[in-house]
Amino acid sequence: GAGVSQSPSNKVTEKGKDVELRCDPISGHTALYWYRQSLGQGLEFLIYFQGNSAPDKSGLPSDRFSAERTGGSVSTLTIQRTQQEDSAVYLCASSLVISGANVLTFGAGSRLTVL
Amino acid sequence: AQSVTQLDSQVPVFEEAPVELRCNYSSSVSVYLFWYVQYPNQGLQLLLKYLSGSTLVESINGFEAEFNKSQTSFHLRKPSVHISDTAEYFCAALSGGYQKVTFGTGTKLQVIP
Repeated sequence: GAGVSQSPSNKVTEKGKDVELRCDPISGHTALYWYRQSLGQGLEFLIYFQGNSAPDKSGLPSDRFSAERTGGSVSTLTIQRTQQEDSAVYLCASSLVISGANVLTFGAGSRLTVL
Repeated sequence: AQSVTQLDSQVPVFEEAPVELRCNYSSSVSVYLFWYVQYPNQGLQLLLKYLSGSTLVESINGFEAEFNKSQTSFHLRKPSVHISDTAEYFCAALSGGYQKVTFGTGTKLQVIP
């Protein structure tokens, strides 16, 4: 597609429920990132996929968070047993390598509210 | 580990006045630097980037940033701001060979009519 697509754009859930957030990257972009943006906070790195390499999961805040990327394209971020502190905007970005650097293009984000 | 510091969380400025948004990074290795802008209720958009070559980089809407290796800075400037520049601005860095992009905490630019 023309840009990075994320769904749902808004999700309200009850504490303890599981949620799945989806990201469709730009076709041809080999790298995919997930970040979390909380109110008053910057962007917190969660996970990074690059081609067929093992993902960099160093930013996942707990074992309730997981992500996968199927076929080197679509990615799903799963949060199990959601907590109120998980409320945030979850941003996905895919990237094109320019002069050796990953230049990120972001989606509009998925706003998660945990009641 | 790479870190990015944006000291100013909010910057109010009158319309048509100049502005500078500060960004400092920590890295002893080659680094790529970016500024992203987030307009209200929108995603992040790339504003400008420094990858190599000229240390002064410009955007299409009048912003510029200068890579200063000795001061490890990449401050964003605009000589005359418009109401439409009201947004949050994020500085980001990426170290060569390690592709995790690290973001600063953001600076909210508020342009006052």
